[in-house]
Amino acid sequence: KNQVEQSPQSLIILEGKNCTLQCNYTVSPFSNLRWYKQDTGRGPVSLTIMTFSENTKSNGRYTATLDADTKQSSLHITASQLSDSASYICVVSKTPGTYKYIFGTGTRLKVLA
Amino acid sequence: DVKVTQSSRYLVKRTGEKVFLECVQDMDHENMFWYRQDPGLGLRLIYFSYDVKMKEKGDIPEGYSVSREKKERFSLILESASTNQTSMYLCASSSPGQGTGAFFGQGTRLTVV
Repeated sequence: KNQVEQSPQSLIILEGKNCTLQCNYTVSPFSNLRWYKQDTGRGPVSLTIMTFSENTKSNGRYTATLDADTKQSSLHITASQLSDSASYICVVSKTPGTYKYIFGTGTRLKVLA
Repeated sequence: DVKVTQSSRYLVKRTGEKVFLECVQDMDHENMFWYRQDPGLGLRLIYFSYDVKMKEKGDIPEGYSVSREKKERFSLILESASTNQTSMYLCASSSPGQGTGAFFGQGTRLTVV
């Protein structure tokens, strides 16, 4: 069964600290993996997208890594800010151009002052 | 910037009512999607449309229908709302090369009482 599992389910950190969110998937075949940020009560916004040939992709303070061999991805947030408080969703696509994306249930991050 | 606009942020309807959720995108995207998002379940695809008047069932189409008369507009219809359809509904659009859900709307929180 195609699955995308994220950990931890929730995380609380202090402002200015770094954190890493994990995403493990069993989706096969694999085309690409995307990380989204979703603020409470809003729609998700894309942070990064990586194909199987890419190991790392950055977007400001967000850096995503991908190990296609172990089917693991991580999202690293550097120098966290209060505005980083949100849910982070990992999404995996099976084949190019398909609408068949598998969504993780997300990690809820709270950054405290 | 791409804009995906959903007609309502919050909606309260009575059981048995016919409910229309509207979504408009301004980037001439071919693909449009409707998802529902429930705690602990992640996003689940209800319906997908890859062209005007074309639609495909997603993972949970029961109790829903859709309409796409114009390229920029994709409507989700609850023929007879039930309490188990209380949820957050998210519309998304993309070009075929970007895959599913490249850009999301802000979401509609529907409560059926």
